[in-house]
Amino acid sequence: SQQGEEDPQALSIQEGENATMNCSYKTSINNLQWYRQNSGRGLVHLILIRSNEREKHSGRLRVTLDTSKKSSSLLITASRAADTASYFCATDHNAGNMLTFGGGTRLMVKP
Amino acid sequence: DAGVIQSPRHEVTEMGQEVTLRCKPISGHDYLFWYRQTMMRGLELLIYFNNNVPIDDSGMPEDRFSAKMPNASFSTLKIQPSEPRDSAVYFCASSLGSGKAQFFGPGTRLTVL
Repeated sequence: SQQGEEDPQALSIQEGENATMNCSYKTSINNLQWYRQNSGRGLVHLILIRSNEREKHSGRLRVTLDTSKKSSSLLITASRAADTASYFCATDHNAGNMLTFGGGTRLMVKP
Repeated sequence: DAGVIQSPRHEVTEMGQEVTLRCKPISGHDYLFWYRQTMMRGLELLIYFNNNVPIDDSGMPEDRFSAKMPNASFSTLKIQPSEPRDSAVYFCASSLGSGKAQFFGPGTRLTVL
């Protein structure tokens, strides 16, 4: 099964609201990454958080990591219509050099 | 700087035909990944290379799929013969170092009729 599982699978909010997406994984990780995918495009790297970090910020993005619960969350504050996309978490675990991607959360931000 | 370049962007072919997808990674990146994305199965890693050497091809679905990386700036993914179930979007990605951020190309949307 996949390492990263996002929750919820889909989220619909109004512009200006905050959006929170969660990711759970099964085995220990070196780091966890979040990516965005706009419809018909490739994935774009947003942020990387290492296993020894608990929180990281990048602009309107805030990522937390709880290794004891094997979970991470991505918070987008003051959402915009342009944030409409699918968001994926990806885990770098200790079995090789590849990332394992979750199924994604489809976010829709209504203007 | 140019990102990861993939060609073609769209490919429509008939069952049984050979399909070749191409990728140019970001210059200087030492890892190259091929993924396949479908609605049913999500994003799947097919194979990845490090310094042009295939490291893990356990995700390649079957012998009909093959991938090469003859040099640091070019890779191909070949499907021969193609089948309708191979219809998907195929992404190439590259990274500088192990476990680092991956940079994705725009993808090739493959339709096998």
